Amino acid sequence: GAVVSQHPSRVICKSGTSVKIECRSLDFQATTMFWYRQFPKQSLMLMATSNEGSKATYEQGVEKDKFLINHASLTLSTLTVTSAHPEDSSFYICSARDSGGRYEQFFGPGTRLTVL
Amino acid sequence: QKEVEQDPGPLSVPEGAIVSLNCTYSNSAFQYFMWYRQYSRKGPELLMYTYSSGNKEDGRFTAQVDKSSKYISLFIRDSQPSDSATYLCAMSAAAGNKLTFGGGTRVLVKP
Repeated sequence: GAVVSQHPSRVICKSGTSVKIECRSLDFQATTMFWYRQFPKQSLMLMATSNEGSKATYEQGVEKDKFLINHASLTLSTLTVTSAHPEDSSFYICSARDSGGRYEQFFGPGTRLTVL
Repeated sequence: QKEVEQDPGPLSVPEGAIVSLNCTYSNSAFQYFMWYRQYSRKGPELLMYTYSSGNKEDGRFTAQVDKSSKYISLFIRDSQPSDSATYLCAMSAAAGNKLTFGGGTRVLVKP
């Protein structure tokens, strides 16, 4: 099956620092990737849609200057949380859509961000 | 009102019972329907993917879609303790487009 990886799986940082999270499709190419955040016992909330070679599309209410997304290749998208604050602490999950004809989205294992 | 409604549970069943999950939605444009399973602190895992109305079966899982009622279901037969997880329904208007998720139902299968 299609595999999506995320790195790191867990990160703890100080307030004011920036954190980069990588999302990789390991055995398929993904022209489109999606970034979600999930609070405890809540569902996934879409933050942005990342398209290879073009600017990401952000959902309403998501600050594009705070959550920088780069989709530089068909297998890698990155999310950078800039000047992180404690309220940015959350579980961040990416998904990737197989460009090879299947339309399912496959999710990564998630990254738990804790901002002190 | 949320676009996709899902009972949060928890739904507790004895091992071997049938687990019945459902979601209702309001957006008639939704055409693609998915069920994901999510274990604690893990990413969601795709279980079922269906298009438009009808039934789909895969092993112990059966997904049903009734577009006229805007209602989808997932049935898990012969439930096992390892099925204990949160089940999320998701849907989209076009293939591969962004998904709208339900809130998830927490399921507990007791041995």
